[in-house]
Amino acid sequence: QKEVEQDPGPLSVPEGAIVSLNCTYSNSAFQYFMWYRQYSRKGPELLMYTYSSGNKEDGRFTAQVDKSSKYISLFIRDSQPSDSATYLCAMRGYSSASKIIFGSGTRLSIRP
Amino acid sequence: EAQVTQNPRYLITVTGKKLTVTCSQNMNHEYMSWYRQDPGLGLRQIYYSMNVEVTDKGDVPEGYKVSRKEKRNFPLILESPSPNQTSLYFCASSFQGAQQNIQYFGAGTRLSVL
Repeated sequence: QKEVEQDPGPLSVPEGAIVSLNCTYSNSAFQYFMWYRQYSRKGPELLMYTYSSGNKEDGRFTAQVDKSSKYISLFIRDSQPSDSATYLCAMRGYSSASKIIFGSGTRLSIRP
Repeated sequence: EAQVTQNPRYLITVTGKKLTVTCSQNMNHEYMSWYRQDPGLGLRQIYYSMNVEVTDKGDVPEGYKVSRKEKRNFPLILESPSPNQTSLYFCASSFQGAQQNIQYFGAGTRLSVL
C-alpha cells in the first residue's frame, strides 16, 4: 500500500465550478501537508501548506486536513481555465530529517 | 531571479553511456534533492543533500550517483544508464526545517535511454 494515495483523474469541470481534490494517507506521523501545482512541461510549484489539522485559505484556494480520517483536500472556487494543471499532494513529518512524500497527482482540466 | 536550473532539458542516450545532469540554485538553499517522475508513480526521491558534502539515499537510488561539492550545485550522475532509467527528472532545493516544505523545482530533464 502506498503511503499517499491520490486519484489520478483526469478531472474535467466547467469554468466557474468548485473543484475538490483529495488525498488519503496511512502514516500518522505526517504533520505538514502541502499542495503543489504542475503545469505541463514545468516543474511543480508550491500552492500552499498547512501544519497539523484544520483549514487554510488563500484566495480561491482552501486546504483542509482531517488527521483523524487521514484525509486532505484542496478546494478551488470559481475555477478558471488557468487552473488546468496536475495537482500533487505532499506530506512529511515534523523532523527536519523527514522526507516529503508526494502523491501521484490529479490532472485537472477547466473547460471554458 | 530566484531559480533552479537544470541542464540539459532533453537527452537521448544509449545504454551504458555515462551521463551527468547538472542542477544549480541561486537561493543559498542548504537542502537539494533529485526526483524522478513516472506515470502513476508520482515523484520519487532519488538522492538528497542536507548541505555541502552531506548526501543520502532517497527511495530509488539504484543506478545513480550524486555529489555536493558546492552549495549551489548538485549534479546527478548515471554511470551506466539502462532503459528503466528513462524518465522525467527534477532537481529541487529549499531551506532546512519547516521551510523544507517549500521546495523550488527546476523545469525538468526528460531522459530517454535506448
